Amino acid sequence: GEDVEQSLFLSVREGDSSVINCTYTDSSSTYLYWYKQEPGAGLQLLTYIFSNMDMKQDQRLTVLLNKKDKHLSLRIADTQTGDSAIYFCAESRWFKTIFGAGTRLFVKA
Amino acid sequence: SQTIHQWPATLVQPVGSPLSLECTVEGTSNPNLYWYRQAAGRGLQLLFYSVGIGQISSEVPQNLSASRPQDRQFILSSKKLLLSDSGFYLCAWRPSGEGGELFFGEGSRLTVL
Repeated sequence: GEDVEQSLFLSVREGDSSVINCTYTDSSSTYLYWYKQEPGAGLQLLTYIFSNMDMKQDQRLTVLLNKKDKHLSLRIADTQTGDSAIYFCAESRWFKTIFGAGTRLFVKA
Repeated sequence: SQTIHQWPATLVQPVGSPLSLECTVEGTSNPNLYWYRQAAGRGLQLLFYSVGIGQISSEVPQNLSASRPQDRQFILSSKKLLLSDSGFYLCAWRPSGEGGELFFGEGSRLTVL
């Protein structure tokens, strides 16, 4: 199918690590992305990874890519209440970007 | 620097009424332009995209249409709205070519009653 799939909800305590998982379908995708959406706003790019990479780290964020299983994950270290948002996994296919349903992250103080 | 504007931010329309959402991009030329819809409890669905003026690709059959009358203007329309058209509509752009970051507008929330 054409779907990018991710779990809908994740709840963590402040200070813990959050791991959001995603599976995609197109093995030819060259870019894989994580976007963040604050309530009532548009999406903003959080980080991305090229398909020829296995891992990318950017401050508190770590992206892991398993091309064999078409699995992408986003780890947020030391999660803060300000990280509460919806996180979208996405893959690029030619001129299109296909998004998952989004994972709503709840951070409990 | 590049900016993207879409309007109106919110609107409430009766079933059967027409719709026009506008999106403009400034500070760039020949961008790829996109309309997405985010329905309650659902993900981000690609509706239309355009890689050049006058060129529209439709992803989902529905009663919506899109037009690109100018290089940096993208319009989403409907002649007769349905209840199921309610949702959060997002316009986005990125530089021409494949892949790369999408830059989103702030969204338009449509409620059809």
